[in-house]
Amino acid sequence: QVQLRESGPALVKPSGTLSLTCAVSGDSIRSSNWYCWVRQAPGKGLEWIGQIYNSGRTTYHPSLKSRVIISPDNSKNQFSLKVSAVTVADTAVYYCARGGINGMDVWGQGTSVTVSS
Amino acid sequence: SSELTQPPSVSVSPGQTATITCSGDAFPKQYAYWYQQKPGQAPMLIIYKDAERPSRIPERFSGSSSGTTVTLTIRGVQAEDEADYYCQSADSTSIVMFGGGTKLTVL
Repeated sequence: QVQLRESGPALVKPSGTLSLTCAVSGDSIRSSNWYCWVRQAPGKGLEWIGQIYNSGRTTYHPSLKSRVIISPDNSKNQFSLKVSAVTVADTAVYYCARGGINGMDVWGQGTSVTVSS
Repeated sequence: SSELTQPPSVSVSPGQTATITCSGDAFPKQYAYWYQQKPGQAPMLIIYKDAERPSRIPERFSGSSSGTTVTLTIRGVQAEDEADYYCQSADSTSIVMFGGGTKLTVL
């Protein structure tokens, strides 16, 4: 059974860097699947942030590309998200998910991040 | 980048059929996916590759495609189906996009 679990600080100061980790069990992040970050601002819809696949290749949302890095940690079978220069607009629940041709079929439970001083 | 357009809300009585549309230039070239999200929960995949259904998803959920519009149909709607529904696709450069979401209300 594949499981994903997000972890990281719940509070980040404006202009700082948001850092989250997604631990994967039951599958390898080096598999043919891709691993994504998706966020949801309070009361809003889902927003795809980016994904990692093929052992390190990445694709990012065009509007976030300049501030986002997704990177793998193959030794721990996890991947991370870093968003720099955060503002209150980055306040959201952040989800990691396993994706592929068959859709985002496994999701983490989500972790809430608030940007505030 | 491409956008996906969904109606903000759909209302239906129990036992009736709900249809939720999603329009965008990504279709029909790219596949459509549908997710159900209930309050306080992570999204759940309910339809993939336009019309395929994961084994755990009830048969009353189905997907279809016609031109630049894809449709999620829920037959015999039950109270437990009340949720937000999102369509998702990707463009030719693997940029993923979600529709704005549709709130399904079961009257």
